[in-house]
Amino acid sequence: GESVGLHLPTLSVQEGDNSIINCAYSNSASDYFIWYKQESGKGPQFIIDIRSNMDKRQGQRVTVLLNKTVKHLSLQIAATQPGDSAVYFCAENINGGFKTIFGAGTRLFVKA
Amino acid sequence: DAGVIQSPRHEVTEMGQEVTLRCKPISGHNSLFWYRQTMMRGLELLIYFNNNVPIDDSGMPEDRFSAKMPNASFSTLKIQPSEPRDSAVYFCASSPGTGDRSQHFGDGTRLSIL
Repeated sequence: GESVGLHLPTLSVQEGDNSIINCAYSNSASDYFIWYKQESGKGPQFIIDIRSNMDKRQGQRVTVLLNKTVKHLSLQIAATQPGDSAVYFCAENINGGFKTIFGAGTRLFVKA
Repeated sequence: DAGVIQSPRHEVTEMGQEVTLRCKPISGHNSLFWYRQTMMRGLELLIYFNNNVPIDDSGMPEDRFSAKMPNASFSTLKIQPSEPRDSAVYFCASSPGTGDRSQHFGDGTRLSIL
């Protein structure tokens, strides 16, 4: 996760297009990564996770890619829908533990 | 299925007052987490419990904050005395535990200290 501030990075996509949300992490000891979606007025919702011994994992319409060499994580959403509009957070756990560090988040806008 | 339940959803109080936030984790989950979310600092882990025992409270801002988990189905986060800078959304999350580190969040308590 990176430092946070008042302004979230924003991604605006057309309905039906694919979305790619990126995240950089800094701790080489991170061994588990999670993507969460947060809608207005709600708590973060688990989307998909990946362990450090994998480089790709697919779910329903979502794919997470992990590049440990450059400490980069991405979330791909296929055929983005208006209901996908939300803030997306990447999060990392270190050394098999439960302590979770969240990134700053990216706001996704889906245009109809 | 009942998710993580937090109460109250909103709280407005004057500075100096004691504030108590409550959380009921998902039944069967072994780990419980308290987070604070602000525009400036994002989501910060305050403390987490495993099997009702506090494991890491390094994120607790100062002595005015305390958290307890008297049993597997209930936890509280207290702020005494409260200050305006404590205004934030406080989230509770629970996790199944061993082998599954995904966290399930409640909908939060929006706290405003005047």
